[in-house]
Amino acid sequence: SQKIEQNSEALNIQEGKTATLTCNYTNYSPAYLQWYRQDPGRGPVFLLLIRENEKEKRKERLKVTFDTTLKQSLFHITASQPADSATYLCALGANYGQNFVFGPGTRLSVLP
Amino acid sequence: SQTIHQWPATLVQPVGSPLSLECTVEGTSNPNLYWYRQAAGRGLQLLFYSVGIGQISSEVPQNLSASRPQDRQFILSSKKLLLSDSGFYLCAWSVEEPQHFGDGTRLSIL
Repeated sequence: SQKIEQNSEALNIQEGKTATLTCNYTNYSPAYLQWYRQDPGRGPVFLLLIRENEKEKRKERLKVTFDTTLKQSLFHITASQPADSATYLCALGANYGQNFVFGPGTRLSVLP
Repeated sequence: SQTIHQWPATLVQPVGSPLSLECTVEGTSNPNLYWYRQAAGRGLQLLFYSVGIGQISSEVPQNLSASRPQDRQFILSSKKLLLSDSGFYLCAWSVEEPQHFGDGTRLSIL
């Protein structure tokens, strides 16, 4: 069955450092991969989408890579700030059907 | 711009009572609509999705049902709630990708 893993349930880093979150998947051939941010008690907010034929995507301090051979995506936040503290979810999507499969999330805490 | 409204924000219901959660989308036409449930510390589990009025696909067998009476309205229902129905329910819409989520309903079953 399809499985998505995110490297750790929680990650603590110091302010100003680069946070790196990992998303690994098995038994799936996604057409694209998405990253969302979720704050406590709120719905997820879309951050970035990267397609299977793209290796890297950037948006301000965010960078996503996608390696379909390793079946892995890395999500980087550079110059991290306490305001970046949240749970980050990866989600896989296919060109057929309407299903998106979400990972369990990584709770990031950026310490001042 | 598009917005999504979900209500109520929190709900406490006794076991065996009925449920109706409503979700409406503004600013877009013919969106795909989704209901998810998120257990504490867990990922999102897709419950239902709809590609049009009256068209509902169910992802997991359960005590819940969904309906789409209008293009931008999606309703999650149950005739008799179980303790296991507790959780955080999220509605989302998309036109292709990505998905855009409401702020959810926290449902507690007593």
